[in-house]
Amino acid sequence: QVTLKESGPVLVKPTETLTLTCSVSGFSLSNPRMGVSWIRQPPGKALEWLAHIFSNDEESYSTSLKTRLTISKDTSKNQAVLTMTNMDPLDTATYFCARTAVTGHYYYYIDVWGKGTTVTVSS
Amino acid sequence: QSALTQPPSVSGSPGQSVTISCTGTSSDIGSFNRVSWYQQPPGTAPKLLIYEVDNRPSGVPDRFSGSKSGNTASLTISGLQAEDEADYYCNSFTSSSTLVFGGGTKLTVL
Repeated sequence: QVTLKESGPVLVKPTETLTLTCSVSGFSLSNPRMGVSWIRQPPGKALEWLAHIFSNDEESYSTSLKTRLTISKDTSKNQAVLTMTNMDPLDTATYFCARTAVTGHYYYYIDVWGKGTTVTVSS
Repeated sequence: QSALTQPPSVSGSPGQSVTISCTGTSSDIGSFNRVSWYQQPPGTAPKLLIYEVDNRPSGVPDRFSGSKSGNTASLTISGLQAEDEADYYCNSFTSSSTLVFGGGTKLTVL
């Protein structure tokens, strides 16, 4: 059974750096047919894709947020990590990690989601 | 990368069919057969319904179907059921090797 579980702070202050961890089970982060994406959803709003990491550690980032985001993984720990710098109240959202299925030449789509973790940015 | 365009809401009665559109550009939907659809009931995580335009994962009823024409993808739900009431999101691979979501569509079963 494939599961993903997000963990991290519930509350961060403006200007701080957010670090979220995604612990996965049921698949390996070294599998070239799989990767991990991070997605967020502000309260009452739409999903927003943030970043992706392939098994070979190649990364992709949202154009609008790439200067603030870093995605990484530790295959031995079955964990992926997202850091977001200079947090703002507008970054308040539920953050999801998700497994991706990698098909063809670096194409990928999200196939399994974690339950998400809520992060509030406030002083 | 701008969000894909979906209607904010659609509705239908039990047993009817509804179609949700998702319009992108030649940099995403128009260039790749890599459109996915997700169902998100209130307070839950999204669930994959359709991948690569018209493929259903195992366990998804065949009442859900996907298609694409040009820069627009569509999700059709036939034989509407009360349990189908949820938010629906489209997603596409892009020419920047990123993903982009639609703004979401709220489906109401009357």
